[in-house]
Amino acid sequence: KQEVTQIPAALSVPEGENLVLNCSFTDSAIYNLQWFRQDPGKGLTSLLLIQSSQREQTSGRLNASLDKSSGRSTLYIAASQPGDSATYLCASLSGGSNYKLTFGKGTLLTVNP
Amino acid sequence: ETGVTQTPRHLVMGMTNKKSLKCEQHLGHNAMYWYKQSAKKPLELMFVYSLEERVENNSVPSRFSPECPNSSHLFLHLHTLQPEDSALYLCASSPTGTGLLTGELFFGEGSRLTVL
Repeated sequence: KQEVTQIPAALSVPEGENLVLNCSFTDSAIYNLQWFRQDPGKGLTSLLLIQSSQREQTSGRLNASLDKSSGRSTLYIAASQPGDSATYLCASLSGGSNYKLTFGKGTLLTVNP
Repeated sequence: ETGVTQTPRHLVMGMTNKKSLKCEQHLGHNAMYWYKQSAKKPLELMFVYSLEERVENNSVPSRFSPECPNSSHLFLHLHTLQPEDSALYLCASSPTGTGLLTGELFFGEGSRLTVL
């Protein structure tokens, strides 16, 4: 059974700092990994999706990497801004004939002005 | 209107009430999902519909009853809920069906349910 862990559970940084959020998964046989952002009381917004054949994906100040062999993904946020404050969730797609999307509990990021 | 729309955004109901949550997607997707998000827990998949056919029922109690009349609409009918069912219920859609959760998920804003 796939388990997804996100560390740290919460992170507070000053504005302008570069930061890394971590995601680890127990079953390395994944098909893809996705990073989401969730603002308080809102739904999830897809940020980046990395297919299993890819090593990284970039969108603006965000860069997500994937290392299947070690069961890890990182989300790098450059030059953080207060508007980046949100909960960031990762989810891995894995399984045999019955694909499952497994979510982590998320990392609550606060960027202080 | 674009994206995935959920109504109502907030719902308070008693344990004996019957209510429904509605989800509508305008993305032309053919798979739709219900997720439950409780405090300090990962998102839990409840139901998956692909081409209007239920392909996943993740051991959800029968007091939750989904309905997918067409590929653009998804309902979650609620009956005799318990206080522990209070949570944020999220609807999502994706461009692929056949029961495979591949590709990107697009989420609605959620319906915050409180059961008294």
